[in-house]
Amino acid sequence: DTAVSQTPKYLVTQMGNDKSIKCEQNLGHDTMYWYKQDSKKFLKIMFSYNNKELIINETVPNRFSPKSPDKAHLNLHINSLELGDSAVYFCASSRARGNEQFFGPGTRLTVL
Amino acid sequence: GNSVTQMEGPVTLSEEAFLTINCTYTATGYPSLFWYVQYPGEGLQLLLKATKADDKGSNKGFEATYRKETTSFHLEKGSVQVSDSAVYFCALSMVGAQKLVFGQGTRLTINP
Repeated sequence: DTAVSQTPKYLVTQMGNDKSIKCEQNLGHDTMYWYKQDSKKFLKIMFSYNNKELIINETVPNRFSPKSPDKAHLNLHINSLELGDSAVYFCASSRARGNEQFFGPGTRLTVL
Repeated sequence: GNSVTQMEGPVTLSEEAFLTINCTYTATGYPSLFWYVQYPGEGLQLLLKATKADDKGSNKGFEATYRKETTSFHLEKGSVQVSDSAVYFCALSMVGAQKLVFGQGTRLTINP
């Protein structure tokens, strides 16, 4: 009965590689999000999708490309990974704007 | 822009002590306010919320009151337990917005 799930939980890769993180929610929500948590635990919004439409792109480098094949999925593809991309990435979803967001367990990305 | 400021951590208390974690916000308008908790190795969980001035959110013995006059949403608990050890995040969301704005997080450690 997992509400928001992410895969993989851990991702270790070399600089310059391309990787994807997948997110799925079974809550019937219309809005999904990606957040980045840095090494100091600071959380910041990266993207927001509403009904598969990109709503927010918070000055994230073009190497990051979200893709929403349907309302229940929001995947994050990262090209040419850099050391500074190492972080924990959280997916979240909500029923509507400004409402409570439900978070996934996070994906810890380590770039070597 | 909108922002959230939390008291600096880490905070270390003994079991059964009284807890206060300060949170103040800056917003153009009237946000909804949230406290999220992140237990070690896990994602974020909503702890409590308040959507308008003077509302009190409460859950698991934690409380926070939305104070418009002081733009604050301080988290309190009368008697903490070891299991409350976690990182606590204060956050706001504007009506119609597509994102949460988080404070920097406060790490709480409760010693037996």
